Amino acid sequence: NAGVTQTPKFQVLKTGQSMTLQCAQDMNHEYMSWYRQDPGMGLRLIHYSVGAGITDQGEVPNGYNVSRSTTEDFPLRLLSAAPSQTSVYFCASSYSGRGSYNEQFFGPGTRLTVL
Amino acid sequence: DQQVKQNSPSLSVQEGRISILNCDYTNSMFDYFLWYKKYPAEGPTFLISISSIKDKNEDGRFTVFLNKSAKHLSLHIVPSQPGDSAVYFCAATGGSGTYKYIFGTGTRLKVLA
Repeated sequence: NAGVTQTPKFQVLKTGQSMTLQCAQDMNHEYMSWYRQDPGMGLRLIHYSVGAGITDQGEVPNGYNVSRSTTEDFPLRLLSAAPSQTSVYFCASSYSGRGSYNEQFFGPGTRLTVL
Repeated sequence: DQQVKQNSPSLSVQEGRISILNCDYTNSMFDYFLWYKKYPAEGPTFLISISSIKDKNEDGRFTVFLNKSAKHLSLHIVPSQPGDSAVYFCAATGGSGTYKYIFGTGTRLKVLA
């Protein structure tokens, strides 16, 4: 199993550009989520999904869109990048979002810089 | 309003000694707590968890204690090893119908050889 994969590893954008961060998992997990990590702020939940076709907002959803058309993929779209979105982005998945099997597996992260 | 707090940004411990990392939460609806470990340039990895129906969970050198009345949990690492040097995050989730995980800001543990 490859686990959770994220592409790209690094990205530099200019203000106003749009892009999609890719996330895929091969563990048949129902639950997937996106976090951003900023210095002194820990990990903050952006969006999550409890299954294909179902998404919901986390703590910091503004400026980001998600969709979940398959169990495996959960892309994160930045609609119009802003310097405040400079961060490290982590995708995670788990068997279930609740109960005993909700330990999340994280991808290696995407480091995004917005100029 | 931060619902999960790790008030110690860093901790240094001698190899072989006990490391104690603390975490406080404010939301009484949280019913499941997790600890993750993160090395630089990698994603967090799951370490240990505890349900609110328990007050202790042990896995090898790692033990998590939960004090619901104080809304406090702690991670004990005994004995500490240099490879344990990492950032540790606690996370909480719970309440009916919620799938949101709230993370603390992390504690950087340095185990000195």
